[in-house]
Amino acid sequence: EAQVTQNPRYLITVTGKKLTVTCSQNMNHEYMSWYRQDPGLGLRQIYYSMNVEVTDKGDVPEGYKVSRKEKRNFPLILESPSPNQTSLYFCASSPTTGGADTQYFGPGTRLTVL
Amino acid sequence: KQEVTQIPAALSVPEGENLVLNCSFTDSAIYNLQWFRQDPGKGLTSLLLIQSSQREQTSGRLNASLDKSSGRSTLYIAASQPGDSATYLCAVALASGTYKYIFGTGTRLKVLA
Repeated sequence: EAQVTQNPRYLITVTGKKLTVTCSQNMNHEYMSWYRQDPGLGLRQIYYSMNVEVTDKGDVPEGYKVSRKEKRNFPLILESPSPNQTSLYFCASSPTTGGADTQYFGPGTRLTVL
Repeated sequence: KQEVTQIPAALSVPEGENLVLNCSFTDSAIYNLQWFRQDPGKGLTSLLLIQSSQREQTSGRLNASLDKSSGRSTLYIAASQPGDSATYLCAVALASGTYKYIFGTGTRLKVLA
């Protein structure tokens, strides 16, 4: 089944403890992206990747890191999480870059930072 | 800076009613506009994608229009059903090769049986 998977789905952690949220797609998509969703603010783009080893900042990249070593994987890294990073995170992928195609979303990861 | 607004934030209608959801954006330099559906506790599902050169797209009971010059898009849902209850989000892909997407905050729709 063609899909975007994220792990973990739920995570409670403490301030400053490094964590990684994994994202994987099995559709051979070039474009991958991370978003966070907060009440009243909608979805905001954190980072995106046009292809392997090519990444760029979205609108809210502070406090996050990403890497794209393989086409199928795009992990989101929080080196020192803080309570303001408590949010619902979505990974998405698209067949091509440039916005020509729709995005396919993962199920989301609900992160709580205490 | 591109801003995307969706009004109303919430909408409740009786089953069978035709309805229109609105999306407005401040900068007409977009590559495309997409409408998504989000069910509680789940990810987003793409409904319709309109390229910047197109005026509308249709899928079943859904019809989306795009007017770039006025910075508006509408999602028309015909003969609404309780299963249509969800949050509907619009998103624009920015032009100029930035590969960025800007989302609206969504309209929460409830269709009453």
